[in-house]
Amino acid sequence: GIQVEQSPPDLILQEGANSTLRCNFSDSVNNLQWFHQNPWGQLINLFYIPSGTKQNGRLSATTVATERYSLLYISSSQTTDSGVYFCAVETFRGGSQGNLIFGKGTKLSVKP
Amino acid sequence: DAGITQSPRYKITETGRQVTLMCHQTWSHSYMFWYRQDLGHGLRLIYYSAAADITDKGEVPDGYVVSRSKTENFPLTLESATRSQTSVYFCASSEARRPGLAGLTDTQYFGPGTRLTVL
Repeated sequence: GIQVEQSPPDLILQEGANSTLRCNFSDSVNNLQWFHQNPWGQLINLFYIPSGTKQNGRLSATTVATERYSLLYISSSQTTDSGVYFCAVETFRGGSQGNLIFGKGTKLSVKP
Repeated sequence: DAGITQSPRYKITETGRQVTLMCHQTWSHSYMFWYRQDLGHGLRLIYYSAAADITDKGEVPDGYVVSRSKTENFPLTLESATRSQTSVYFCASSEARRPGLAGLTDTQYFGPGTRLTVL
């Protein structure tokens, strides 16, 4: 099946710094989503971005489907950005709509 | 707007007992999903449902049973709980578009999770 690799696995930032999280996937996808899991466990959808670029406040994401990667940019990081960021993809060949495959996540810690 | 809720939020049970985790959504989303989250594995899909009375297996369905008699509810049952089923369980829903060559799954929205411990 499709493989999803996220890097780095862990990231520590000082408040105000910028960061880039990467998601590589091993096959063509028709769905890619970025999620943030806060320290209390809640999963929040950040972007639905199978291709192109989107921005939402200090966060933006770019997916280059032809090269099988996606990037999540966090600018001017805040302590509330701490948590785990997941990339999840669905492949055309899944045969089952809605079968998202998750990466193992990037754990971000933003220090005040 | 209640969104998507799960109950109970925490559950401790014993090996061999039957446990049912509830999931309820108020958006009338067509699709609903059950995931489990374990250290070292991330989130893995257990079962999903495209509509009432339509369910299908995900990546790790063994030991679980689902049903969907109403659009808004998607209960997950562990018929005989095992210690390996200790995990955090998340329910999600989405309003998927019509399947087809260009069919895309819409954004998935997650419930708060249920932490299940099997002793």
